[in-house]
Amino acid sequence: QSVLTQPPSVSAAPGQKVTISCSGSSSNIGNNYVSWYHQLPGTAPKLLMYEDNRRPSGIPDRFSASKCGTSATLGITGLQTGDEADYYCGTWDSSLSAWVFGGGTKLTVL
Amino acid sequence: EVQLVESGGGLLQSGGSLRLSCAASGFSFSSYAMSWVRQAPGKGLEWVSAVSDSAGSIYYADSVKGRFTISRDNSRNTLYLQMSSLRAEDTAVYYCAKGGMVREGVRAPFDYWGQGTLVTVSS
Repeated sequence: QSVLTQPPSVSAAPGQKVTISCSGSSSNIGNNYVSWYHQLPGTAPKLLMYEDNRRPSGIPDRFSASKCGTSATLGITGLQTGDEADYYCGTWDSSLSAWVFGGGTKLTVL
Repeated sequence: EVQLVESGGGLLQSGGSLRLSCAASGFSFSSYAMSWVRQAPGKGLEWVSAVSDSAGSIYYADSVKGRFTISRDNSRNTLYLQMSSLRAEDTAVYYCAKGGMVREGVRAPFDYWGQGTLVTVSS
């Protein structure tokens, strides 16, 4: 059971938009920055978004993120088949003094 | 180009010990915190441990506290994870990742990851 809750899977057609939610509590999302990672099949995770809504260089603006209270959301527009991956949210938990991740969401582009 | 290359994984029996290494290049290793994150087969990410740039601060997940020890050698640009009293549930790919501690007032995300090294513990 992960500290952060994500839907196990989401799907959408190419060109469409999808959102992935990440729910936590005041000890983690509510008071710490959220980062998002994606993991293509058979590869290492890669940083996708950080400090709630900032994109690292090289990440296209099709990817966005937001946070409200104890929940965060990742958005992807103009879906491409290459976006099929597992997506994870992560943040520091001040009560646990530990990094915590969501269970991951598998994105399928139909 | 930032590169993180893990090594040291393998197959061993429950109760055994193993040391993982992560060779870093392409950035000023001694200026950044480093972490270990693992992923059991078919499962999600689980943070294991983090060490500050000077090793003055170290954190562990409860699941490994007292059994794993993180360390670093800034003269060799290398991060280590000494694992002992290994259990079947420690079976995972172990990733070395840059970041994880507070830097310039903000807790840094894991902005670069290695390719991982597989540790398999048989019961």
